[in-house]
Amino acid sequence: AQRVTQPEKLLSVFKGAPVELKCNYSYSGSPELFWYVQYSRQRLQLLLRHISRESIKGFTADLNKGETSFHLKKPFAQEEDSAMYYCALTDSGYALNFGKGTSLLVTP
Amino acid sequence: EAGVAQSPRYKIIEKRQSVAFWCNPISGHATLYWYQQILGQGPKLLIQFQNNGVVDDSQLPKDRFSAERLKGVDSTLKIQPAKLEDSAVYLCASSLSGFLRTEAFFGQGTRLTVV
Repeated sequence: AQRVTQPEKLLSVFKGAPVELKCNYSYSGSPELFWYVQYSRQRLQLLLRHISRESIKGFTADLNKGETSFHLKKPFAQEEDSAMYYCALTDSGYALNFGKGTSLLVTP
Repeated sequence: EAGVAQSPRYKIIEKRQSVAFWCNPISGHATLYWYQQILGQGPKLLIQFQNNGVVDDSQLPKDRFSAERLKGVDSTLKIQPAKLEDSAVYLCASSLSGFLRTEAFFGQGTRLTVV
């Protein structure tokens, strides 16, 4: 069965500090992984996807199949990065399985 | 482009009552999803439609939940009768064709409180 684990419910960092939001998954095949973000009072939206290998708003995520991880990183956190972040995976290309989310708080 | 529209935004009902949620996806999006998000948890898929056909409803509690997507456009999700544990945010999302190939867009959600 697919499973996505985000071990931190809350992560607090200072502005300008590096940030890493952890995501581990369990799946025997080759899943596709995503990071979704929800800013305060806004809709859940796609931040980045593994297959695109892109950097969005300074965030990157590398898929490590050996460690079954897909951690989200940013070298210098900004206050506007404060939000709820969800890691998600799909094996079929259709339904997404989400983790429980990590609340990121960037303080000045 | 216009986003996914959901109504109502909030609903409070007593247990054992019925409730219905409505979703209007982005025009032209073939795939529509309903997710349930309980406080403190990530969204959980309830049902997925491809046009007006059900692709996956394995996690839908069919004894009390039902959903339909008439004409492959709008969709309604119904709960009858509601239980206290149904209190959650119900999210609708749509995509051109699945999450992998195209981006999915989420609605604002309907927050249901069962008392």
